[in-house]
Amino acid sequence: DAKTTQPNSMESNEEEPVHLPCNHSTISGTDYIHWYRQLPSQGPEYVIHGLTSNVNNRMASLAIAEDRKSSTLILHRATLRDAAVYYCILRDVGNTGNQFYFGTGTSLTVIP
Amino acid sequence: DTEVTQTPKHLVMGMTNKKSLKCEQHMGHRAMYWYKQKAKKPPELMFVYSYEKLSINESVPSRFSPECPNSSLLNLHLHALQPEDSALYLCASSQMGLTSGIAADTQYFGPGTRLTVL
Repeated sequence: DAKTTQPNSMESNEEEPVHLPCNHSTISGTDYIHWYRQLPSQGPEYVIHGLTSNVNNRMASLAIAEDRKSSTLILHRATLRDAAVYYCILRDVGNTGNQFYFGTGTSLTVIP
Repeated sequence: DTEVTQTPKHLVMGMTNKKSLKCEQHMGHRAMYWYKQKAKKPPELMFVYSYEKLSINESVPSRFSPECPNSSLLNLHLHALQPEDSALYLCASSQMGLTSGIAADTQYFGPGTRLTVL
């Protein structure tokens, strides 16, 4: 089953861009790449997802490598409210619990 | 309304107690989930209901008993828990049931119930 690898922690200065990497070398052709984040004392919240093409929304951008073995979540201007644990997750069609596996995530610290 | 609500926010119970956690969503979502999250760890899937039927049970001990009375409501009944069951219990929902569309679907999470077992 496809899994993801992320750095345990990263730091960023406030108002600077942040690039959060995720490796998923065993991704299959039908796996969607999802990003969620969990702010302190809250449930996870959806950030963005994509399949093959880069994606943008009001929260972030998702850059997907051409071979799809890695992706990068881009926060264009980090704010203190972006301090959270960011999870990169692969989702596929299926009726098993593996597609809801979160992985260890990256804890982002934003420095004022 | 994109909100998933969970009650209670906090729960303290003894090992012989019976209690229930409640989760509600009014977004018309057809899949609902229970996750368990220990401190500084990622959420771990426990159960998935799809179209009000239990579809995934991740080998959860029988002292946790889920129930989906209707499409908007999900309960987790607790009985004879152990102190190691103390954790944050998260509920989530998503629009699709466990169909081909689930891969691109978005999960909406509630704030969780902080459970302490004494």
